[in-house]
Amino acid sequence: DTEVTQTPKHLVMGMTNKKSLKCEQHMGHRAMYWYKQKAKKPPELMFVYSYEKLSINESVPSRFSPECPNSSLLNLHLHALQPEDSALYLCASSQEWGRGKQFFGSGTQLSVL
Amino acid sequence: QQQVKQSPQSLIVQKGGISIINCAYENTAFDYFPWYQQFPGKGPALLIAIRPDVSEKKEGRFTISFNKSAKQFSLHIMDSQPGDSATYFCAASIFSGNQFYFGTGTSLTVIP
Repeated sequence: DTEVTQTPKHLVMGMTNKKSLKCEQHMGHRAMYWYKQKAKKPPELMFVYSYEKLSINESVPSRFSPECPNSSLLNLHLHALQPEDSALYLCASSQEWGRGKQFFGSGTQLSVL
Repeated sequence: QQQVKQSPQSLIVQKGGISIINCAYENTAFDYFPWYQQFPGKGPALLIAIRPDVSEKKEGRFTISFNKSAKQFSLHIMDSQPGDSATYFCAASIFSGNQFYFGTGTSLTVIP
């Protein structure tokens, strides 16, 4: 099983809403990542969790709040987003932080109205 | 500073032709070079990857050529098909480290 599952696939939210994105993997990977991707651009790293601890926060605004409840799950809590936050949000995992193969989920296409 | 430079930005190839995408890097510490394929609305999928101890790796119609001295690597798609139309990202990382960098992407269109 080399699958990273993300839910929901699509999300529309207003600027005052609170929502959460979910990511799950069962490959025994100890590193999980959140990326943001704008159209026709490469993914931009937001957060890295290594062994369930936040290891990297790439100067992401506090309206994005990550959470890693256990080694298989990763959440991204969203609050008071701006229209410019509309993007494809990707979760990925790898055996260890930075090690080689990263497996990506299909992403959540987020639209902020 | 762009750690991995990718070209061309877009590419149009006839069905059956060869698609070639190039990437270059500066950091000689990079030792893992994957290529990802991404279809619209989907996440990137690992296509093929190479370590610098070999100069070429082939998997089906996809081949990576690696030139360590020039710090360049390229993806060749033989017998390109319309189903190969996607965005391709090269990447470079330190396999046992904590750095991973994407190229800027190439939008490939294969016309029938």
